[in-house]
Amino acid sequence: EVQLVETGGGLIQPGGSLRLSCAASGFSVSSSYMSWVRQAPGKGLEWVSVIYSGGVTYYADSVKGRFTISRDNSKNTLFLQMNSLRAEDTAVYYCARDFYGSGSYYHDLWGQGTLVSVSS
Amino acid sequence: EIVLTQSPGTLSLSPGERATLSCRASQSVSSKYLAWYQQKPGQAPRLLIYGAFSRATGIPDRFSGSGSGTDFTLTISRLEPEDFVVYYCQQFGSSPWTFGHGTRVEIK
Repeated sequence: EVQLVETGGGLIQPGGSLRLSCAASGFSVSSSYMSWVRQAPGKGLEWVSVIYSGGVTYYADSVKGRFTISRDNSKNTLFLQMNSLRAEDTAVYYCARDFYGSGSYYHDLWGQGTLVSVSS
Repeated sequence: EIVLTQSPGTLSLSPGERATLSCRASQSVSSKYLAWYQQKPGQAPRLLIYGAFSRATGIPDRFSGSGSGTDFTLTISRLEPEDFVVYYCQQFGSSPWTFGHGTRVEIK
């Protein structure tokens, strides 16, 4: 079955660090474009970061310099290392597989999400 | 950054009615890079439309997308009970990729 499963969320104090994982099955993370998208409680969706199959990465300005996207090809897993966490980083974090082809680009597969709460 | 403005914020309709949701971009977006998602409570978003017009796999044909440039529309031809949820547009034409704030379709 093709799916994504996120883990690693939890309650963390401001200034702390957390690493989210997204285990993929049914396809290869290393040959895919993969994104993280977050959703603050009761709010809309915000794109956070992307890693292309070649390893190039991009970040939203709101997390640049604090978050790092990476992957472990041997474990077929995507990661998001989050440092210097702030209250405004509180959200459900989704990993998503990106499709790029036929001239289009979109998130075609989503995980169920993992909740990160930043609070003292 | 391209700002996507979705309107209305909330749409109140009855089952069987037609829903028209708007997504307006602050700059022109290639239709190839405009997508629509549906999100049910407590669930992850689900891809509905990509490339502004193309339905994703398994999406009923009552959902359709149209538009170009700065104005895009998602149309639900006949609302079913399960369609009364939230819809988001997203653009991939310019970094950072951005979402609209969503339109909630509620039962009138």
